[in-house]
Amino acid sequence: GENVEQHPSTLSVQEGDSAVIKCTYSDSASNYFPWYKQELGKGPQLIIDIRSNVGEKKDQRIAVTLNKTAKHFSLHITETQPEDSAVYFCAASKGQAGTALIFGKGTTLSVSS
Amino acid sequence: NAGVMQNPRHLVRRRGQEARLRCSPMKGHSHVYWYRQLPEEGLKFMVYLQKENIIDESGMPKERFSAEFPKEGPSILRIQQVVRGDSAAYFCASSPSRTDQFFGPGTRLTVL
Repeated sequence: GENVEQHPSTLSVQEGDSAVIKCTYSDSASNYFPWYKQELGKGPQLIIDIRSNVGEKKDQRIAVTLNKTAKHFSLHITETQPEDSAVYFCAASKGQAGTALIFGKGTTLSVSS
Repeated sequence: NAGVMQNPRHLVRRRGQEARLRCSPMKGHSHVYWYRQLPEEGLKFMVYLQKENIIDESGMPKERFSAEFPKEGPSILRIQQVVRGDSAAYFCASSPSRTDQFFGPGTRLTVL
């Protein structure tokens, strides 16, 4: 079935450094790739997304890249801050956007000051 | 504009009881998705509903689980005869038009 692999599972950086999280997906029909941030005891919060007709998207300190040929997509956070510490999940649409999302297992990001 | 509301936030049930989880989507959103999250795991899709219709229930266990999204009122995820393995966080998400999914705070179900 459809699968999303996410790496690394944990990531520790110093404040001000960059953090990169990578995902691969298996469903060639996927065309929507959101990223979520989840803090302890809370629901996932959509932070950025990308669709298959775009290779890169940026929003302030956060950027996502997508390589459809290789079925990779990545999240880049620059100038990390302690409040960026959370669990980050990538996801891919099951087929076309608007259907179920298939999630990776998450990356626990720790930013130390 | 209130976000997605879920209640209760915490639910404790004994084995064999029923659990009812409620989800009120954001205003103007007619698409609702339910996901389950086990400790240290990602979210697993369960079911996708539009008003009065189940669109995709491919992630729903065949027995004991059901979902509805009536014309009026919240979406309900119902688990009959709960077992310990049903203990998890259950999240719903809503969407205005099959695009971005916005998640609620979740219901944490504990089965004793």
